[in-house]
This record gives sequence, C-alpha cells and structure tokens, in this order.
Amino acid sequence: GENVEQHPSTLSVQEGDSAVIKCTYSDSASNYFPWYKQELGKRPQLIIDIRSNVGEKKDQRIAVTLNKTAKHFSLHITETQPEDSAVYFCAAKAGGTYKYIFGTGTRLKVLA
Amino acid sequence: DTEVTQTPKHLVMGMTNKKSLKCEQHMGHRAMYWYKQKAKKPPELMFVYSYEKLSINESVPSRFSPECPNSSLLNLHLHALQPEDSALYLCASTPKGLLLNSYNEQFFGPGTRLTVL
Repeated sequence: GENVEQHPSTLSVQEGDSAVIKCTYSDSASNYFPWYKQELGKRPQLIIDIRSNVGEKKDQRIAVTLNKTAKHFSLHITETQPEDSAVYFCAAKAGGTYKYIFGTGTRLKVLA
Repeated sequence: DTEVTQTPKHLVMGMTNKKSLKCEQHMGHRAMYWYKQKAKKPPELMFVYSYEKLSINESVPSRFSPECPNSSLLNLHLHALQPEDSALYLCASTPKGLLLNSYNEQFFGPGTRLTVL
C-alpha cells in the first residue's frame, strides 16, 4: 500500500540554526504534500503545503521543496526559535482520493 | 466561522458506557474525517464522509459507529470500548469532495481526549 517515510524521528538544533526534515512517498499519483506542526496536546496545524506542479514554496522562515522524480519532499526551517519545538508530520495525498498518508513524525527540539 | 469544533474536550468512560463525540464545521466543507491518534504517533484514519455519505471505513471495530446527520455535523458513537481505545480523537474537514485535481487543505479540530477505564 501507499506509505510515507519520514526522517529523522528526532532532531535537536541550537536556536538560530536550520532544521531539515525529509519525507519519501511511494504513490506516484500523489499531488499534494502538506506539513503539519503539532504541539503537545494540540491539534495538527498546517504550516505549509506544496502542490505537485511546484518545486519549491517559501513562507518566511519555512520552505518546502519537492522532487517528483525521486518522490522526495523536505521541510526547511531557518533561524529556528524555541517555539518551533514540536512534532512535525509530513503527508501526501493523491488526486481523486480522500486519504492523506502521514509520515511517522519528527520531534524537533530547539535548544536555547 | 473558520474552524472545526469538537466536543467534549475530555471524556472518561467505562467499558460498558455509551458516549458520543461531536464535530462541527460551518465552512461549507463537503468531506469530514475521524482520526485516532496515539501518543507520539501520526493520526490514523478511521472514517471519511463525503457529501454526508460514508466513503471510507478503515476496518474500524463496530464499537465505533460514525454518523453524519447533515453537512455540518459529524458524530462518533462509542460503545463497549476497550482501554486500548484511549487516545486523542481528531475530526477534520476538507473543502471539496472527490476531484482528481483537488488540492484539499485539511482543517483539524482540537480533538477529544478519550480515556477508557
């Protein structure tokens, strides 16, 4: 079946450094790739997404890149701050389906 | 109104109880989802309703019974649950139904923290 692999499972960075989280998807029909941030006890919150017809998207300190050939997409956070500490999930969705396939999550810790 | 709401926020129930979780959205979204999330794990899809019809049941045990009375409301009826069913139950909605080229942003509710004793 379809799956999304996510790495690393945990990531610790110093405040001000960059963080990169990578995902690989299996379904070549996937065309929508959201990233969610989830703080402890709270709902997953969409922070950025990318569509298959775009290679890169940026929103202030957050960027996502997509390599359709390799079926890879990555989240880049620059100038990390302690409030960026959370669990981040990637997901992939194919057109014509309802299912969002989630990665296993990355626990990001930003050390002050 | 631009959010998904869920009630109750917390629920503690015994294995013989019957309870219901409620989810509402007034954004005109046509697909609504139930997810179960265990600690440190991603959301696990349970059910999807599209245009008020059940479209996906991910082989969920019958002790969980979904209901979609109208386009804004989604319920999850619980009966004879087990302690391992304790989890965060998330509702979500997306604007469109099933379209080949739909890029559907998914909006999550705050969840119901369920504890089964």
